[in-house]
Amino acid sequence: DIQMTQSSSSFSVSLGDRVTITCKASEDIYNRLAWYQQKPGNAPRLLISGATSLETGVPSRFSGSGSGKDYTLSITSLQTEDVATYYCQQYWSTPCTFGGGTKLEIK
Amino acid sequence: EVKLVESGGGLVQPGGSLRLSCATSGFTFTDYYMSWVRQPPGKALEWLGFIRNKANGYTTEYSASVKGRFTISRDNSQSILYLQMNTLRAEDSATYYCARDRGRGFAYWGQGTLVTVSA
Repeated sequence: DIQMTQSSSSFSVSLGDRVTITCKASEDIYNRLAWYQQKPGNAPRLLISGATSLETGVPSRFSGSGSGKDYTLSITSLQTEDVATYYCQQYWSTPCTFGGGTKLEIK
Repeated sequence: EVKLVESGGGLVQPGGSLRLSCATSGFTFTDYYMSWVRQPPGKALEWLGFIRNKANGYTTEYSASVKGRFTISRDNSQSILYLQMNTLRAEDSATYYCARDRGRGFAYWGQGTLVTVSA
């Protein structure tokens, strides 16, 4: 199985900050990567698929980048509503696998 | 509007069984793979398995952690997805989600149903 590693399980940020969340696959996943946002008590919300494609309705302050094994989710100018846990997921191979999550907290 | 609504969660003793349902609407059910994903309290998401669409013969795949204990099925006449869980263990305690699988991420999820395995 492909292992997905999000190096930071949590970090503190300030409103208005630019935030970068990283995700590393144990092997090349050929951009078959999705990012999800999850708020407490809610199901995950798909933000980005194909490593860079923003889903309909997702604010443009979110963006994805990367290739090979290394991927990044960026949020420019963090808003209050962006405080959440973010997960990456690879769907290059079955089983699809999720990262351990990165929780954003306000300083 | 696409909707997925899980039901069937609850408290079950170790070694017991439970069947979860996911009622769907708003899309052509037979066109889509459907997945189950779970999340233990305070922990990460874990994919459990999927059932393929009509074009791919409704076959199934499972994660190693549940293969042989859990079975995914679907009632295409009623657009309902099922997860039959047998020989449940404490570590199976989690919120269970169904999700519409388009092969490039899960754009639609249910609200989740909580399963607690405890004596």
